[in-house]
Amino acid sequence: QQQVKQSPQSLIVQKGGISIINCAYENTAFDYFPWYQQFPGKGPALLIAIRPDVSEKKEGRFTISFNKSAKQFSLHIMDSQPGDSATYFCAASMDSNYQLIWGAGTKLIIKP
Amino acid sequence: SAVISQKPSRDICQRGTSLTIQCQVDSQVTMMFWYRQQPGQSLTLIATANQGSEATYESGFVIDKFPISRPNLTFSTLTVSNMSPEDSSIYLCSVKDGNGPFFGPGTRLTVL
Repeated sequence: QQQVKQSPQSLIVQKGGISIINCAYENTAFDYFPWYQQFPGKGPALLIAIRPDVSEKKEGRFTISFNKSAKQFSLHIMDSQPGDSATYFCAASMDSNYQLIWGAGTKLIIKP
Repeated sequence: SAVISQKPSRDICQRGTSLTIQCQVDSQVTMMFWYRQQPGQSLTLIATANQGSEATYESGFVIDKFPISRPNLTFSTLTVSNMSPEDSSIYLCSVKDGNGPFFGPGTRLTVL
């Protein structure tokens, strides 16, 4: 019940295309859903986060879509660029304790 | 967001020795976390370190192996004791600062 399942494991997208990464969770007590971007040799960087009171949040080319009834959330990267090539992790937590439950990660490659 | 630095950035150590990793934050934070990330894997929480209290360890991690200090609100150390090659990983410090959590750049440890 504590798991967060992330897919796909890897993704190749052409430059200018839309990258979509999906996550699903079981624990309905989760109320904070961040996405992290990690480049090789670096720590994860918080990209964007959403709470369950909204169905979508957009920051620049990055959008989180949230479906509370399906217990799913996804990251959309519009107009994907080679500089977006990185590993992306979804996570979930209960705000009360801040402990993140992590997805397995998606390695995204944007082809020029 | 908080700016986090870690020392060392990387190290190569011999089996049986110990390494202490330092984490410095540019602002006072209550909650600090230590994570381990094995190559190509997601992140695993080792422990939560709050100032003024004993660190709380996750299942599979023990204080004798990973002693943690948290002397003030801007600094923490993690020691990896009696190292074996299985301890080769990236060790990451993380803080909760309103949003986040946010991560340091990590310490890449190789044990020979």
